[in-house]
Amino acid sequence: AQTVTQSQPEMSVQEAETVTLSCTYDTSESNYYLFWYKQPPSRQMILVIRQEAYKQQNATENRFSVNFQKAAKSFSLKISDSQLGDTAMYFCAFRLNRDDKIIFGKGTRLHILP
Amino acid sequence: DGGITQSPKYLFRKEGQNVTLSCEQNLNHDAMYWYRQDPGQGLRLIYYSQIVNDFQKGDIAEGYSVSREKKESFPLTVTSAQKNPTAFYLCASSIGGGLTEAFFGQGTRLTVV
Repeated sequence: AQTVTQSQPEMSVQEAETVTLSCTYDTSESNYYLFWYKQPPSRQMILVIRQEAYKQQNATENRFSVNFQKAAKSFSLKISDSQLGDTAMYFCAFRLNRDDKIIFGKGTRLHILP
Repeated sequence: DGGITQSPKYLFRKEGQNVTLSCEQNLNHDAMYWYRQDPGQGLRLIYYSQIVNDFQKGDIAEGYSVSREKKESFPLTVTSAQKNPTAFYLCASSIGGGLTEAFFGQGTRLTVV
């Protein structure tokens, strides 16, 4: 069975700083997707970024980028020039290509301090 | 406007009563999901459905039931067998076929007293 682990329950950084959130996963398969979702205080889940396992290039979306290390089964999220609006819960998620089941980690609560 | 609608936003029930949470999507997605969110527990999968009239148990299916009679609808029933039903419930959908991410509704906060 696949598992997703987020080892940082909570983090705080100053506005404009760079922060990295960690995620590791376990699977014996080679074809899958990884995602980072953001859940602000409104509790609406928002997709931040997506990575296909077959792509070696790390995904980037504006200030958000990932460091995908397939051999190490690691998928960290880097937020550059952090903003107050980045304050939220962040969830790492995993999905096999051959299945629709999506599993999530326990989340990291991120506080951006003014 | 395409999206996923969960209703109601807040729900209160007495202990021992069954309650059904509604989830409707107009995105023409094949797959639908129910997750439970508790503090410190992340999102835990209750049930998911890849196609009409078919669904699979997730990690915490005990005390819950679902149906998928229409592509657009995936209601979740929290039965009296669920020992700790008070939680935030999220419904999601995706295109299916293992291709894309899930899109989420706004959630239902269920409180059982």
